[in-house]
Amino acid sequence: DTGVSQDPRHKITKRGQNVTFRCDPISEHNRLYWYRQTLGQGPEFLTYFQNEAQLEKSRLLSDRFSAERPKGSFSTLEIQRTEQGDSAMYLCASSWGQGNDGYTFGSGTRLTVV
Amino acid sequence: SQQGEEDPQALSIQEGENATMNCSYKTSINNLQWYRQNSGRGLVHLILIRSNEREKHSGRLRVTLDTSKKSSSLLITASRAADTASYFCAEETSGSRLTFGEGTQLTVNP
Repeated sequence: DTGVSQDPRHKITKRGQNVTFRCDPISEHNRLYWYRQTLGQGPEFLTYFQNEAQLEKSRLLSDRFSAERPKGSFSTLEIQRTEQGDSAMYLCASSWGQGNDGYTFGSGTRLTVV
Repeated sequence: SQQGEEDPQALSIQEGENATMNCSYKTSINNLQWYRQNSGRGLVHLILIRSNEREKHSGRLRVTLDTSKKSSSLLITASRAADTASYFCAEETSGSRLTFGEGTQLTVNP
């Protein structure tokens, strides 16, 4: 197992376009989290899944954002009608249960909206 | 978002010196975690301290937790140039979300 994988590493898109990111968690982990990080700030929670169920969503996750985790394995995060304010690093993490050993983060997808 | 505060925002030291970073948080926690992030990369989990623990060690890392003051500190002993990174504390409350501070940028000069 090579850890949490995120794809793509970088994405440049024009304002108004839709983008989709993928996260492959550690296979034994049942929880998967999405965070967003802007330059100079700490990550901010977006949403998390336990298996295939989306259990919590942040108010940061506007109607333009949707996340799925079909079959409780990989997850996708889609942003529709991107805006310049969506430019950020999108981080995925996974854990077993409540993460009593900490969370394992992927390297992130850096989104630039031009 | 309810982010905690980290102090200092930036710290520059010489190799071999100790580095201390502080974190304050606002709510009752299940645990507090420290992460490291190299520029443009993901976060790496360093250490977790539970709300009923006061001190924890891992290699050159020492973490303390004072729940009465809602504060934690991370000490890195005998620092190395490779320790240069941003360090974040993150409080875990009920519901499994982590709330991160703004981080401390540590620079260790060779």
